[in-house]
Amino acid sequence: EAEVAQSPRYKITEKSQAVAFWCDPISGHATLYWYRQILGQGPELLVQFQDESVVDDSQLPKDRFSAERLKGVDSTLKIQPAELGDSAMYLCASSWSDGTYEQYFGPGTRLTVT
Amino acid sequence: AQKVTQAQTEISVVEKEDVTLDCVYETRDTTYYLFWYKQPPSGELVFLIRRNSFDEQNEISGRYSWNFQKSTSSFNFTITASQVVDSAVYFCALAESNSKLTFGKGITLSVRP
Repeated sequence: EAEVAQSPRYKITEKSQAVAFWCDPISGHATLYWYRQILGQGPELLVQFQDESVVDDSQLPKDRFSAERLKGVDSTLKIQPAELGDSAMYLCASSWSDGTYEQYFGPGTRLTVT
Repeated sequence: AQKVTQAQTEISVVEKEDVTLDCVYETRDTTYYLFWYKQPPSGELVFLIRRNSFDEQNEISGRYSWNFQKSTSSFNFTITASQVVDSAVYFCALAESNSKLTFGKGITLSVRP
């Protein structure tokens, strides 16, 4: 069964350092999402791609976060510089079309900023 | 604006008990989609069900059943004869047409042997 792949699974970094996460969606899924999930909360959308284009990044802190999906397949989310408040689970998901379709999630990257 | 409320935060039951997880939503759209996801301790969200606003028929899948009532804006999830493996955080979510998915805060279900 096809799965969404993410790496790394765990990342510990110091404040002010740069960190990057990678996601490979299910083959054929045009839409890719990055979510941030703070402990005890539901996931919150950071950015949504349709193929290689960003369709929603309204909740992405653009002063320190960036995301790209250059060839419309895999994607990278970067934080520079990391802050203590960025400690969270970062989840990637993909779907056939827009947010009205079921999304399939990867295992997530748990980030700890010290 | 769309909103999902899961008023229950933690539920603890003994194995084989039935348990219902509540979900109430708010939306101005007539076309929208409702979802339930399960997040086990491993962290990965697992898709359980998707329903559109025009289909109020209740659904049953094995021990799982869902009750969708537009009149009360609710989409409740029942697990019959709960098992230890059902222990997880369960999220209800809502998407209006062509818009992003909004999640509730989740309900932590603990099933004790």
